[in-house]
Amino acid sequence: EVQLVESGGGLVQPGGSLRLSCAASGFTFSTYWMHWVRQAPGKGLVWVSRINSDGSTTTYADSVKGRFTISRDNAKNTLYLQMNSLRAEDTAVYYCARDPRRDGYLKDWGQGTLVTVSS
Amino acid sequence: QSVLTQPPSVSAAPGQKVTISCSGSSSNIGNNYVSWYQQLPGTAPKLLIYDNNKRPSGIPDRFSGSKSGTSATLGITGLQTGDEADYYCGTWHTSLSAGHNWVFGGGTKLTVL
Repeated sequence: EVQLVESGGGLVQPGGSLRLSCAASGFTFSTYWMHWVRQAPGKGLVWVSRINSDGSTTTYADSVKGRFTISRDNAKNTLYLQMNSLRAEDTAVYYCARDPRRDGYLKDWGQGTLVTVSS
Repeated sequence: QSVLTQPPSVSAAPGQKVTISCSGSSSNIGNNYVSWYQQLPGTAPKLLIYDNNKRPSGIPDRFSGSKSGTSATLGITGLQTGDEADYYCGTWHTSLSAGHNWVFGGGTKLTVL
């Protein structure tokens, strides 16, 4: 069974940093592209970033480009999202999701982790 | 404001049929597969339809998808109260400025009256 478990969320001050993790199990993590998607309270889904299977290719939404970094450790079956220079508008539940093929779709989702940016 | 346009809400009675539209352009829907996601209250999104009209294992055939040109449609028949949720379309979007990124529609809240 595919499992994606996010962690690392919490309360952080504006301008601060946070690193999210997504622990994957039940599939061969190193062969799949992965994504981060976020959802602000009461709002819709917004795509954040994606990374290819070996970590050599990354793409970001304009709203986080230059501030967020997606990465992965295939030996640890873990996806990461390093978030710097956080703003109030980054407050959201962050989900990781598995893409079953390159530029496919978001097949499996984690339960999400809440990030709150506030002073 | 998303590049994919969905109606904010739709409603229908139990047992009836409803459709949810997703309108885009040649930069997204027109040249890419569309997928649909269901988000029940307080839960993570769940894949309902992929590659325009395919259902993952475990998704009942009451859910269907179609695409024509730059628009896609999700259909739900035999509505149940348990279908009350937010529904999102999604696809790839290519632009000169932003490159090749995933986009979601704004979401549609389904109410089963």
